Amino acid sequence: GENVEQHPSTLSVQEGDSAVIKCTYSDSASNYFPWYKQELGKRPQLIIDIRSNVGEKKDQRIAVTLNKTAKHFSLHITETQPEDSAVYFCAASIVGRDDKIIFGKGTRLHILP
Amino acid sequence: DAGITQSPRHKVTETGTPVTLRCHQTENHRYMYWYRQDPGHGLRLIHYSYGVKDTDKGEVSDGYSVSRSKTEDFLLTLESATSSQTSVYFCAIRQGQGQPQHFGDGTRLSIL
Repeated sequence: GENVEQHPSTLSVQEGDSAVIKCTYSDSASNYFPWYKQELGKRPQLIIDIRSNVGEKKDQRIAVTLNKTAKHFSLHITETQPEDSAVYFCAASIVGRDDKIIFGKGTRLHILP
Repeated sequence: DAGITQSPRHKVTETGTPVTLRCHQTENHRYMYWYRQDPGHGLRLIHYSYGVKDTDKGEVSDGYSVSRSKTEDFLLTLESATSSQTSVYFCAIRQGQGQPQHFGDGTRLSIL
């Protein structure tokens, strides 16, 4: 089955700098890749998603890139702010085959003042 | 926020007792999921449902069963709880394939 690896497990960046979180997936048929943010004690919430027919997607300070050949995708956060501190999860699924969404183990992002 | 309610929100019970967690949605979404979240493991899929009475196993299904007798409710049962099942359990719903999941607030389950 699908396996999603996420790196790094912990990331600390200075406020105002950029943060990058990387994920790889194992099944080349995967075609839908959401990213979730989870604040302490809260539910995971979708922040951005990308489908395999698109190489990049942006939403204000957040962007996701997808490299299907290498089977990896990345989350980019620019001009980081204190409220970006959270745990971020990537995930992958195969639309049209089954209905599972498999998550990476998460990255804890610390924004340093 | 999507209309998802998990109950109970917190539960403490003893090893060997049966436990049932409930996920209730008001969105009429087809797909429902149960995940467990543990430090260092992220979100791991236990079981999911793609329609009434249609369910399938996830990554960590041993020791868990599910039932979905109507669209709005998805039940997760631990037949005989063990300490290794102490975790935070999240329910999620999804309208269709290729659509994002929306999560409930979670149930914190402690098995002593």
